[in-house]
Amino acid sequence: KAGVTQTPRYLIKTRGQQVTLSCSPISGHRSVSWYQQTPGQGLQFLFEYFSETQRNKGNFPGRFSGRQFSNSRSEMNVSTLELGDSALYLCASSWDRHPQLTQETQYFGPGTRLLVL
Amino acid sequence: SQQGEEDPQALSIQEGENATMNCSYKTSINNLQWYRQNSGRGLVHLILIRSNEREKHSGRLRVTLDTSKKSSSLLITASRAADTASYFCATDSGNTGKLIFGQGTTLQVKP
Repeated sequence: KAGVTQTPRYLIKTRGQQVTLSCSPISGHRSVSWYQQTPGQGLQFLFEYFSETQRNKGNFPGRFSGRQFSNSRSEMNVSTLELGDSALYLCASSWDRHPQLTQETQYFGPGTRLLVL
Repeated sequence: SQQGEEDPQALSIQEGENATMNCSYKTSINNLQWYRQNSGRGLVHLILIRSNEREKHSGRLRVTLDTSKKSSSLLITASRAADTASYFCATDSGNTGKLIFGQGTTLQVKP
């Protein structure tokens, strides 16, 4: 079974631009979460989608948004890029999650490294 | 905000030695997971331990969980140079799909 894939792997943008990152979960997984990793803040949760609905959101400004498609693929968008948005963006998928079930293992993709100049 | 504090921040050992990393967290959890990351790449899932479990093994890995102390440890036995990586603990406290990560321990295994 193929793992989580993320595209593109590397991206260079300039301040003020916007960017869209893509994530394809493991086949059969319906939950997709996004994380930002920086040297200063570490790994921080952005948001989680399940069946095309955002179920949880981290403490990031509205410039960060996402969506999930019917095939569970997900995209995140960052508008009006700032230098501080330079980071490794990681996407993770898990099999299923229902409020009554214990959290399942999240499997991570290789990440998209974004550099904002 | 970080849920977990990991200790030590960096660890350097010789091949064949054991490596122990500790993680403390603040709130009640459903489970705790350990991940490995090589040189800023994606995270590789190592092991998940549920809140009602005290110890779990997977190959050369041994994880313990003490919910009364809100702490966990990861032991890697007979370490190899290929174990060189950063190790993170992550907790899920409420079936929210949100993992809260510690700052990580950077392990260097010298051949």
